[in-house]
Amino acid sequence: DTAVSQTPKYLVTQMGNDKSIKCEQNLGHDTMYWYKQDSKKFLKIMFSYNNKELIINETVPNRFSPKSPDKAHLNLHINSLELGDSAVYFCASRLSGDNSPLHFGNGTRLTVT
Amino acid sequence: AQSVAQPEDQVNVAEGNPLTVKCTYSVSGNPYLFWYVQYPNRGLQFLLKYITGDNLVKGSYGFEAEFNKSQTSFHLKKPSALVSDSALYFCAVRASGSSNTGKLIFGQGTTLQVKP
Repeated sequence: DTAVSQTPKYLVTQMGNDKSIKCEQNLGHDTMYWYKQDSKKFLKIMFSYNNKELIINETVPNRFSPKSPDKAHLNLHINSLELGDSAVYFCASRLSGDNSPLHFGNGTRLTVT
Repeated sequence: AQSVAQPEDQVNVAEGNPLTVKCTYSVSGNPYLFWYVQYPNRGLQFLLKYITGDNLVKGSYGFEAEFNKSQTSFHLKKPSALVSDSALYFCAVRASGSSNTGKLIFGQGTTLQVKP
């Protein structure tokens, strides 16, 4: 199936731990994103990469570090997890160009206890 | 700065009735406007977009949206609602000048509840 796939789907961890979320797309897109959806369902962009180059870096704590080994993959590493990091993290991708919509993965629900 | 407002947290309609989910936007330059739908425990799915041309845009699942430049609105509509349309709907805007980043700004979402 052509898709944006994220792993893991659920992640439960304790404060202070370090964790990673992985994202892969097989749609042939060249731009990938991380969005955070909070408990009120509000969506906020975090990062974006185009052909492995960081092009969007919003005001996000530097405990969050994205990494794109190639244009089909975008991972998110989070150091020293805090309670406030609990959210659903969505990966998305698209072909660069004004007309193209985002294609979203199904999300990773991160719970920090 | 770009922004999107969805003034209703929830819209309730009876099955078979028409539905409207409202969206207004603010952007410098020409807007590119999108509607997405999110079902529980799923990612967002693209419904339709307005880039240029005809102000009435048709999309997936019988949805359509009308671009109104003077009112800076892009309301989502459907002539006859289905119970299966119940979901969370997001309006989003991208300024035409941000084509190199594709940064999409989302509204706060509107929950659509269709009752049998």
